Amino acid sequence: GQQLNQSPQSMFIQEGEDVSMNCTSSSIFNTWLWYKQEPGEGPVLLIALYKAGELTSNGRLTAQFGITRKDSFLNISASIPSDVGIYFCAGQGVWNNDMRFGAGTRLTVKP
Amino acid sequence: DAGITQSPRHKVTETGTPVTLRCHQTENHRYMYWYRQDPGHGLRLIHYSYGVKDTDKGEVSDGYSVSRSKTEDFLLTLESATSSQTSVYFCAISEPGQLNTEAFFGQGTRLTVV
Repeated sequence: GQQLNQSPQSMFIQEGEDVSMNCTSSSIFNTWLWYKQEPGEGPVLLIALYKAGELTSNGRLTAQFGITRKDSFLNISASIPSDVGIYFCAGQGVWNNDMRFGAGTRLTVKP
Repeated sequence: DAGITQSPRHKVTETGTPVTLRCHQTENHRYMYWYRQDPGHGLRLIHYSYGVKDTDKGEVSDGYSVSRSKTEDFLLTLESATSSQTSVYFCAISEPGQLNTEAFFGQGTRLTVV
């Protein structure tokens, strides 16, 4: 099946630092998505990527769809306390529309 | 916010009892998904639906069944709940197209099987 490997599992950073996390897969995906989840809530979409090589920004967030279609990264620049949460990558396969998620990266930002 | 409502939001049930969780959407999206979220595992797909009466299994479908008799409702049933099914369950919807396939999530249902 389609397995997504997300790393790191957790990050503890100082406010103002940049953050980078990534996802890799053994399968090709048509779409890569990045979500953020806060306690007690469902995941909320941050960035969607639809083409290999695509680089997309959303404020301080930047994400790229890997050229091999098997990986993606998310960068957060100049982190702030409200960036705290769990970040998930998700991929949508080529042959069907089920959406698989990575295990998440738990981000803690120290003021 | 996308119009997705999960019910109930919290439930405690006994081992061996049947349980049905409901997901209701007002967006007329074709795809609906059920995920479970457990520490260390992220979100794992249980079942999904790509239309009325069209469903397929995800990666952790054992012990679960689903039904979709109307576009707006997707039901997840645990025929005989077990303690290993204690989890937070999320419903998601999407309308795949050429340019976007984002999924939008409900707020989750916390199920405890005792």
